[in-house]
Amino acid sequence: DAGVTQSPTHLIKTRGQQVTLRCSPISGHKSVSWYQQVLGQGPQFIFQYYEKEERGRGNFPDRFSARQFPNYSSELNVNALLLGDSALYLCASRREPGQGSSYEQYFGPGTRLTVT
Amino acid sequence: GENVEQHPSTLSVQEGDSAVIKCTYSDSASNYFPWYKQELGKGPQLIIDIRSNVGEKKDQRIAVTLNKTAKHFSLHITETQPEDSAVYFCAASGRAGGGNKLTFGTGTQLKVEL
Repeated sequence: DAGVTQSPTHLIKTRGQQVTLRCSPISGHKSVSWYQQVLGQGPQFIFQYYEKEERGRGNFPDRFSARQFPNYSSELNVNALLLGDSALYLCASRREPGQGSSYEQYFGPGTRLTVT
Repeated sequence: GENVEQHPSTLSVQEGDSAVIKCTYSDSASNYFPWYKQELGKGPQLIIDIRSNVGEKKDQRIAVTLNKTAKHFSLHITETQPEDSAVYFCAASGRAGGGNKLTFGTGTQLKVEL
C-alpha cells in the first residue's frame, strides 16, 4: 500500500509570495493533519481536517489556511511568505479521529520550503 | 496547552549497547504517546506507541514505558545497530480535538558507533 504522499518535494519562494502544498493520505484514512518542522526542532501542529472540516488549529497566523477534498486529499496554503516560514511541511494521515485503535498517525516525506 | 520535554538531545552508544530516551509531559489529560524515528531527508516514521491504560509495550528490540503518575515515558532500544542511528521524537496527544494534535519533544540524535 502506498503511504502518505506529498508534492512538491522542494520549493523555493520569495518573501511575499504565496505557496500551495499538497498531500494525499493513505488509502482508507479520512483525517489529515499538517505540521511545520523547523530545522533542529520537533514538528509543530498547524491544522487537522476530517471529512472536509477543520477539526483543530495550532498557533499559526491567518496567513496559513488549508482545505480537504472529497477524496480526502488536502492542500495547505501560506500567503505573504516570510523568511521564518522556511521549514519542512509534513502531512500526516489517520484513519478517523477518536475511533478505537485509530490513534496512529503516519507522516509523509514532507515538502521542503525555502523562502528567500 | 501540552508541553513535552525530551532528554538527552544527543546520545552516542556502542553497537550492541542499549539506548534510553526520556520524555515528560505536562497535561494529565494526554492519553496517547507515540515515538517517531526520523532519518535525514525523510518524514517521521512511527516506531512504537503506548496508550495511557498500559504501562509498558514491547516490539522486538524496542520498548516503551509509561508512568502516568509522574507524567513521563521512555523509549528503550536494546542491541543497538548502526541503522538505529537517527533522530527520535516523542509526542503526546490528548482527547481534545479527537486526539489528532501531537505535541512533540525536541528530539534526540542517536548515534550508534561501530
